[in-house]
Amino acid sequence: GENVEQHPSTLSVQEGDSAVIKCTYSDSASNYFPWYKQELGKRPQLIIDIRSNVGEKKDQRIAVTLNKTAKHFSLHITETQPEDSAVYFCAAGETSYDKVIFGPGTSLSVIP
Amino acid sequence: DTGVSQDPRHKITKRGQNVTFRCDPISEHNRLYWYRQTLGQGPEFLTYFQNEAQLEKSRLLSDRFSAERPKGSFSTLEIQRTEQGDSAMYLCASSSTGAGDQPQHFGDGTRLSIL
Repeated sequence: GENVEQHPSTLSVQEGDSAVIKCTYSDSASNYFPWYKQELGKRPQLIIDIRSNVGEKKDQRIAVTLNKTAKHFSLHITETQPEDSAVYFCAAGETSYDKVIFGPGTSLSVIP
Repeated sequence: DTGVSQDPRHKITKRGQNVTFRCDPISEHNRLYWYRQTLGQGPEFLTYFQNEAQLEKSRLLSDRFSAERPKGSFSTLEIQRTEQGDSAMYLCASSSTGAGDQPQHFGDGTRLSIL
């Protein structure tokens, strides 16, 4: 069935360093890959997404890469700040408006 | 854009009782989704609608769960004969299809606790 795996489950970095979170998916029909940030007790918030017709997308300190052949995609956060501390979820779906399957999450801690 | 709103924010009930949650999507969004999230896990898909039509229901979803979106606007999720395992955060999201397709935006969720 549909499955999204995510690694690592926890990640600690020093402020200013980079953080990388990696995901794999199983459903070949997936063409849409959003990333959500969830702070404790709050709603998941979309931070960036990528569609399968591009291999990389950047938005300021955040970038996502996609390797559709290998069914891998990654989130890169540069120059991390304490406010980046949260749980990050990757997800995969056919389109932005179909259901998405979420990974189990990565708890990121940025140490000042 | 007032965002996705959910009501109530918290619900505590005894095992065996029925509960109903409400979700109001972003007004121009025609798709509405329900997810369930337990502690330390990612949101798990339950069901979704386009306007009033229910497009898909997770096969993991028990018959005790039912969702409606009668007028294509707000939606309700009902759980009958609640069990301990139903304790979770129930998240609603909405999006839109077509040329101006929008990704899913989530509400704050309803936290259900079964005593």
